[in-house]
Amino acid sequence: GAGVSQSPRYKVAKRGQDVALRCDPISGHVSLFWYQQALGQGPEFLTYFQNEAQLDKSGLPSDRFFAERPEGSVSTLKIQRTQQEDSAVYLCASSLVFGAATDTQYFGPGTRLTVL
Amino acid sequence: LAKTTQPISMDSYEGQEVNITCSHNNIATNDYITWYQQFPSQGPRFIIQGYKTKVTNEVASLFIPADRKSSTLSLPRVSLSDTAVYYCLVGDDFGNEKLTFGTGTRLTIIP
Repeated sequence: GAGVSQSPRYKVAKRGQDVALRCDPISGHVSLFWYQQALGQGPEFLTYFQNEAQLDKSGLPSDRFFAERPEGSVSTLKIQRTQQEDSAVYLCASSLVFGAATDTQYFGPGTRLTVL
Repeated sequence: LAKTTQPISMDSYEGQEVNITCSHNNIATNDYITWYQQFPSQGPRFIIQGYKTKVTNEVASLFIPADRKSSTLSLPRVSLSDTAVYYCLVGDDFGNEKLTFGTGTRLTIIP
């Protein structure tokens, strides 16, 4: 596709449920990022992939959060045993080459997760 | 990573030029300055990037003084569609791949 796509766009989960959020990056992009955006705040980094390798997961808030990109394209962010504080918009971004400040990141529309 | 400070919100009328200034007092020699724009219910979108002096593209201009401790994003002749949150970020190419966003500046264009 022409841009980064994410699905679902909206997800409502009951506390304790597991959720899986999908990201389809721009074809051929090497780098893929996940960010979490709370209401009224800027996006916060969660994790970074270079092809299929997860090079940085320092932003994942707990071991309930897990991300994968097994074939170096599509990525899934999984949250186990969701809590109310997990409610946020989850953004995926991709960039053409190895991640760098000068390499433009292209963002998807995000998945809005609401945990009841 | 250098911390950035920018106004929380700004209002402007349609047709005016809008300037949003960002302060980054501890910017490092290798850091670039990048601005992103975010509309409601969308992900951020790259606007412009620069290292020093002035950069201009079809959307905006970026002014960076010689000491690089601040930068100004200039939007010419704004329209209602420019209502968005604007983020100023600094970072280099050496292992700092993640973007660090602040709270941004919420720009509201008034008809």
